[in-house]
Amino acid sequence: KNEVEQSPQNLTAQEGEFITINCSYSVGISALHWLQQHPGGGIVSLFMLSSGKKKHGRLIATINIQEKHSSLHITASHPRDSAVYICAAVTGAGSYQLTFGKGTKLSVIP
Amino acid sequence: DSGVTQTPKHLITATGQRVTLRCSPRSGDLSVYWYQQSLDQGLQFLIQYYNGEERAKGNILERFSAQQFPDLHSELNLSSLELGDSALYFCASSVGSGGAYYEQFFGPGTRLTVL
Repeated sequence: KNEVEQSPQNLTAQEGEFITINCSYSVGISALHWLQQHPGGGIVSLFMLSSGKKKHGRLIATINIQEKHSSLHITASHPRDSAVYICAAVTGAGSYQLTFGKGTKLSVIP
Repeated sequence: DSGVTQTPKHLITATGQRVTLRCSPRSGDLSVYWYQQSLDQGLQFLIQYYNGEERAKGNILERFSAQQFPDLHSELNLSSLELGDSALYFCASSVGSGGAYYEQFFGPGTRLTVL
């Protein structure tokens, strides 16, 4: 069993829909990243959070430390949001490393 | 643009060969992390350096090695290459290591193809 589980693996949405991607982890963490990877490969960190909620434009990330669960929400989805979204748990103390989920491939159809 | 640079962007080589991937961290960042992304394994942490010293090791093969130089750039050396080493290799950098966690910023990656 992976230490970081994401769902769903694949997601197809119509433009304008509200999207939720979930991430559960089984280890103690210092923080959690939500990453975006477009075709062509580059990785962009969307959020880093250790508690509560963060918002950036149409993107919202939440984390519940007690339940070991985080969600990424996209409001008013757009075809340019089509990408792979990866959650990554920050583990370790003193020296940190990322443990990655397998990613959610999102396709937003016009 | 994260400020992290990686060269080369693409590398095609043959089995048994040795290659070197290079990473320059963001200005002011002391930590460099290396990651491998393959189709079957996904993203995996390989190794971390902080200010020239190895700080943490992940799933790095013995055929792979890395170092961080005094100017803080880092190199990942892959030797005796196998077909299964074909992957995207990312580096990331952050301000520090130890104490609090500092956000990592990813480079654009090097795509390695082993034929």
